[in-house]
Amino acid sequence: KAGVTQTPRYLIKTRGQQVTLSCSPISGHRSVSWYQQTPGQGLQFLFEYFSETQRNKGNFPGRFSGRQFSNSRSEMNVSTLELGDSALYLCASSQNGGDNSPLHFGNGTRLTVT
Amino acid sequence: EDQVTQSPEALRLQEGESSSLNCSYTVSGLRGLFWYRQDPGKGPEFLFTLYSAGEEKEKERLKATLTKKESFLHITAPKPEDSATYLCAVQAPGSNYQLIWGAGTKLIIKP
Repeated sequence: KAGVTQTPRYLIKTRGQQVTLSCSPISGHRSVSWYQQTPGQGLQFLFEYFSETQRNKGNFPGRFSGRQFSNSRSEMNVSTLELGDSALYLCASSQNGGDNSPLHFGNGTRLTVT
Repeated sequence: EDQVTQSPEALRLQEGESSSLNCSYTVSGLRGLFWYRQDPGKGPEFLFTLYSAGEEKEKERLKATLTKKESFLHITAPKPEDSATYLCAVQAPGSNYQLIWGAGTKLIIKP
């Protein structure tokens, strides 16, 4: 079974630009979560989508948005990039996002904002 | 406030030297505690889920245990390939299944 696939693997953007990251979950998984990971803050939850609906949201500004398609693939968008947005962005999928449903992570997109 | 604290922040061991990593939590009514392993440049890899005090899970050289206030990840006779950051996360009631993450323990096994 293929794992969670994230593209692109690396991105370099300039402050003020916008960026879109893509995530393909494990086949059959309906929940997709996004996390930001930095050395100082660790894993920070961005949002979770389940059956194309945002079910949970973390404490990030509105510049961070996402969506999920009918095939469970998900995209995350960051507008008006800031230097502090430089991080590893991780996508994780699970069967239903509930109890007994561990997260399975992709290898992330490394975003560098200059 | 629900919190997860992992200790130590970093641990250096000789190959074959057994030890334990700690994950303490202040969540009331734990729904589940998860252990993950993360290698540099990769996403976290799921290891174990524990649900109730007294529960134990094993995988190769790793054994995870759970009490009412903390979990331990015991590593027996570690090898250099066990070097990684180990992350702990808990699921609290009323959290809509969202996880509260610890900062991780960076484990280095020297040959």
